Amino acid sequence: AQRVTQPEKLLSVFKGAPVELKCNYSYSGSPELFWYVQYSRQRLQLLLRHISRESIKGFTADLNKGETSFHLKKPFAQEEDSAMYYCALSAYNNDMRFGAGTRLTVKP
Amino acid sequence: GAGVSQSPSNKVTEKGKDVELRCDPISGHTALYWYRQSLGQGLEFLIYFQGNSAPDKSGLPSDRFSAERTGGSVSTLTIQRTQQEDSAVYLCASSLPEGTGALTGELFFGEGSRLTVL
Repeated sequence: AQRVTQPEKLLSVFKGAPVELKCNYSYSGSPELFWYVQYSRQRLQLLLRHISRESIKGFTADLNKGETSFHLKKPFAQEEDSAMYYCALSAYNNDMRFGAGTRLTVKP
Repeated sequence: GAGVSQSPSNKVTEKGKDVELRCDPISGHTALYWYRQSLGQGLEFLIYFQGNSAPDKSGLPSDRFSAERTGGSVSTLTIQRTQQEDSAVYLCASSLPEGTGALTGELFFGEGSRLTVL
C-alpha cells in the first residue's frame, strides 16, 4: 500500500522568506502526487498535482523519484499562505492517501 | 447539489452510543472517500468506494466502524459504541472516475462532520 510522510507538523516563516514543505512517499507503482490545502474555515481543496507541472499561487512541487520526494516550495511566502497543507498519493485505482499534514504559519 | 454535502455538521454524543454520519457526493461522482481528521493524526484514510467494486475498508480502525453506499450515491458512516478517541472531524470526498476526461486526483471535499464523544 502507498504511504505518505510529512515530517514537519508545524512550520513557521516570515513574510517574504522562502518556504519548503517536505513530503516523502513509498509506493511500488508509478505514483501520482498532489498537494492539498485547507485554509482557515474552508474546505480542503486541491492545490496542485505533479503531472500538470503547474505553479499555483506561486507554489511549485517537483517529483523526485530517486529520493521519493515531492516537496512543495514557494520563493516568497505571503501571510495568506498560512494554512494546513497535505501531501497525497493516488494509487492506480484512484485510492488516495494523505500525509499527516503540515501547518504553515507566515508571520508578518 | 453544487458540492459534497455532509450531515450533521456537528454531533455531540455520549460514550457508548451509536452515531451515523451522512455524505451526499457530487452527482455523477462514482468514487467516494471517508477520512478522519484529528489533531496530531492528520488526515487518516477510512474507506474508499469506487463504482460497483468492493470497497477498500483497510483504513477502518475497528469493527465498530462500518460504511455503506446505497445506489452508488449517498454514503453513511456508522460508529457503534462510540469512544472518546472517536472524537474528530469526519470528512467525505468524491471524485469523477478515470477516463471521463477529468484530470485524476481532484477530490472534492465536504465541510465535514465534527463528532464529540463525551
